[in-house]
Amino acid sequence: TQLLEQSPQFLSIQEGENLTVYCNSSSVFSSLQWYRQEPGEGPVLLVTVVTGGEVKKLKRLTFQFGDARKDSSLHITAAQPGDTGLYLCAGGNFGNEKLTFGTGTRLTIIP
Amino acid sequence: DAGITQSPRHKVTETGTPVTLRCHQTENHRYMYWYRQDPGHGLRLIHYSYGVKDTDKGEVSDGYSVSRSKTEDFLLTLESATSSQTSVYFCAIRPTGGSEKLFFGSGTQLSVL
Repeated sequence: TQLLEQSPQFLSIQEGENLTVYCNSSSVFSSLQWYRQEPGEGPVLLVTVVTGGEVKKLKRLTFQFGDARKDSSLHITAAQPGDTGLYLCAGGNFGNEKLTFGTGTRLTIIP
Repeated sequence: DAGITQSPRHKVTETGTPVTLRCHQTENHRYMYWYRQDPGHGLRLIHYSYGVKDTDKGEVSDGYSVSRSKTEDFLLTLESATSSQTSVYFCAIRPTGGSEKLFFGSGTQLSVL
């Protein structure tokens, strides 16, 4: 069974600060996805990374896939209240119809 | 908007009663999934379907059954609900074309008393 552990589980910071959240596994994945979920809604895909060492930027969000494809990080620069939500990573493998989801990081940005 | 509708959005039921949750999609995607979400556990896969009448178990399938008699509908049934099945249930679809990304419905909040 492949597991994905996310840290921290909870994070509360002031608006304007920078932060990084982590997604770690002992297993190799062929792709890693990040989702954001707001209260009362389903998760929404932010990005997919597929190459070891890959870095993708989405405005103030920077996603990195580890060289060994076992871990990933999400860095947010100058956090804003709109970044508040539950961030989930999910690992996939080619030919497997199922994703493995991480335990989630609940982020709160204080105005 | 991936055209996914879950119903009902909220349900309260009693232990031992049967419950059916419905997921409807408008875009004829092959793959559909049912997840449950509980604090500290993220999303856990209950069952999934890869076509009409083709389904398979996920990691937490005990106490749940599914049916897919037509492409657009994927039903999740709790034959005899228990309090441990109190959760938020999400349906997801995976667009055809090799991508592994999922699109989720808005969820069903189920409370079993």
